[in-house]
Amino acid sequence: GAGVSQSPSNKVTEKGKDVELRCDPISGHTALYWYRQSLGQGLEFLIYFQGNSAPDKSGLPSDRFSAERTGGSVSTLTIQRTQQEDSAVYLCASRHPREGRQTNTEAFFGQGTRLTVV
Amino acid sequence: QQPVQSPQAVILREGEDAVINCSSSKALYSVHWYRQKHGEAPVFLMILLKGGEQKGHEKISASFNEKKQQSSLYLTASQLSYSGTYFCGTERGGKLIFGQGTELSVKP
Repeated sequence: GAGVSQSPSNKVTEKGKDVELRCDPISGHTALYWYRQSLGQGLEFLIYFQGNSAPDKSGLPSDRFSAERTGGSVSTLTIQRTQQEDSAVYLCASRHPREGRQTNTEAFFGQGTRLTVV
Repeated sequence: QQPVQSPQAVILREGEDAVINCSSSKALYSVHWYRQKHGEAPVFLMILLKGGEQKGHEKISASFNEKKQQSSLYLTASQLSYSGTYFCGTERGGKLIFGQGTELSVKP
């Protein structure tokens, strides 16, 4: 597609339920990121995938959060046993492959999934 | 380690200038700048690399002081369309971490 696609755009779920959020990156982008943005707040890093390397999961807030990326393309962020504090916009971004030690490529963001836990 | 941005918010009149600062406690290889309008996705503005290379928006300028681990974004002759939240991002090993954002409001 032309850009990063996320689905669903909105999700309302009951506390305690599991949710899956999907990200389709730009074709050919091997780097993929998930961020969480609570109302009026900044971009909180969650997880980073680069090609076939092990993902950097250092930003996941608890073991209820997990993410996978199948075939180096589509990624799914799963939140188990959702809590009200999980309510936020979840943003996905992708980038071109790295070149050398420095990268001069910008990240392209999807429109996000607005998750509301009631 | 999350970069620190200042100021947290700024209000301008059209035509006025603003500077947004970004600093990191760790050595920087590159600094990214993005702008997010309310309810929209962040959009790329600029990347600054060690060694002075820049890539980005023609009407926006920025500096990158590698020694001080700081970057500044310069918005001159601001327009109403400049309103939004500005984020700086620092990169290490491909991992991109953003600051808490600077909210810029440009009034007529």
